[in-house]
Amino acid sequence: DQQVKQNSPSLSVQEGRISILNCDYTNSMFDYFLWYKKYPAEGPTFLISISSIKDKNEDGRFTVFLNKSAKHLSLHIVPSQPGDSAVYFCAARGGSNYKLTFGKGTLLTVNP
Amino acid sequence: DTEVTQTPKHLVMGMTNKKSLKCEQHMGHRAMYWYKQKAKKPPELMFVYSYEKLSINESVPSRFSPECPNSSLLNLHLHALQPEDSALYLCASSQVWAMDTEAFFGQGTRLTVV
Repeated sequence: DQQVKQNSPSLSVQEGRISILNCDYTNSMFDYFLWYKKYPAEGPTFLISISSIKDKNEDGRFTVFLNKSAKHLSLHIVPSQPGDSAVYFCAARGGSNYKLTFGKGTLLTVNP
Repeated sequence: DTEVTQTPKHLVMGMTNKKSLKCEQHMGHRAMYWYKQKAKKPPELMFVYSYEKLSINESVPSRFSPECPNSSLLNLHLHALQPEDSALYLCASSQVWAMDTEAFFGQGTRLTVV
């Protein structure tokens, strides 16, 4: 049972445009959400997080939006740059043991 | 220093070998983790250490044996592995476990069992 779902395995965007990566979750106990970026042959790098008491968190070009009623979050990257090309993992935590549950990832390709 | 350092980066071992993966962080984090990641899959939690004590074992087979000698080091001892154990093994740390803090990941050890 996949509790964190990233339904788009890949996304291709033109440089300078907005990238929107989506994530859905099923566990209503999740109360903290994170986005990680992963380049090939490297470990995931923390990007941005949001607590369930907020609906938006912004850090430079990256903004995460949380819609608790829809159990949906999204990561917006504006403007997208070729260096943003990587796999993006959505992760969630909450409930009794606080472990991070990851989605399968979305491969973002930003074309020059 | 915001690094989590893992050694070795690559490891090839036979099914009868004994080897160890090492992980080190100097951020003063008191929670450390082992994850396993197969190709095109998300990282899967294996173990959590909190204040050098094993807090979570996600039903990992005993051929994987974690060890936390001190607050900066985390080892994963491997013995009698199977080819299906081939994967990227990621170490991570966070300030504490069970609080709203992000985890920092190492680059991983690419393990191949032959």
